[in-house]
Amino acid sequence: DQQVKQNSPSLSVQEGRISILNCDYTNSMFDYFLWYKKYPAEGPTFLISISSIKDKNEDGRFTVFLNKSAKHLSLHIVPSQPGDSAVYFCAAIWRGSTLGRLYFGRGTQLTVWP
Amino acid sequence: ETGVTQTPRHLVMGMTNKKSLKCEQHLGHNAMYWYKQSAKKPLELMFVYNFKEQTENNSVPSRFSPECPNSSHLFLHLHTLQPEDSALYLCASSQDLGGGLGSYNEQFFGPGTRLTVL
Repeated sequence: DQQVKQNSPSLSVQEGRISILNCDYTNSMFDYFLWYKKYPAEGPTFLISISSIKDKNEDGRFTVFLNKSAKHLSLHIVPSQPGDSAVYFCAAIWRGSTLGRLYFGRGTQLTVWP
Repeated sequence: ETGVTQTPRHLVMGMTNKKSLKCEQHLGHNAMYWYKQSAKKPLELMFVYNFKEQTENNSVPSRFSPECPNSSHLFLHLHTLQPEDSALYLCASSQDLGGGLGSYNEQFFGPGTRLTVL
């Protein structure tokens, strides 16, 4: 059973506009959420994270929003740039577990066009 | 070499072959992971090693056999695979497992091995 879901396999956005990537989760035990970015032929790299005690975390052009009641988080990229074109994975973890296990979504392919 | 490296980057094998995937991390980490990414599926955790000890086997078939001789190296031995095992196999490492104290140690991923089983 998939505990982290990214229901949009792809998103296409014009350069300079906002990109919004969405993620839903089912396990209320998750208390830390991450976004990873993956370019072709490379491994995923960490982008930004948020703790469940917060509802927003910002890092430059990237902002993650968390709505715990809806079990939903989103990644906003403003302004979007062609170099942001990649697959974005949402991930979640329960830090109370000693296993360090990340649960991933299927990913969303973001394409930013000039 | 820096970060997490994986070899080979691409592998094609028959169902009767035996092959091994290698992962090496140059970050001084103590935890290492194998993930599998099949087409249109999320990354699936396969195995976890912490200080060379296997801490998790996520119901992986025995045709996949991991080995962690030291904290820097991780292998995945493959034998009698099936075509449905074709996937991207990713290795990752972290300082240790973290967890239990409300902490999280970031996982750093290698570039992966693209495996095709004929």
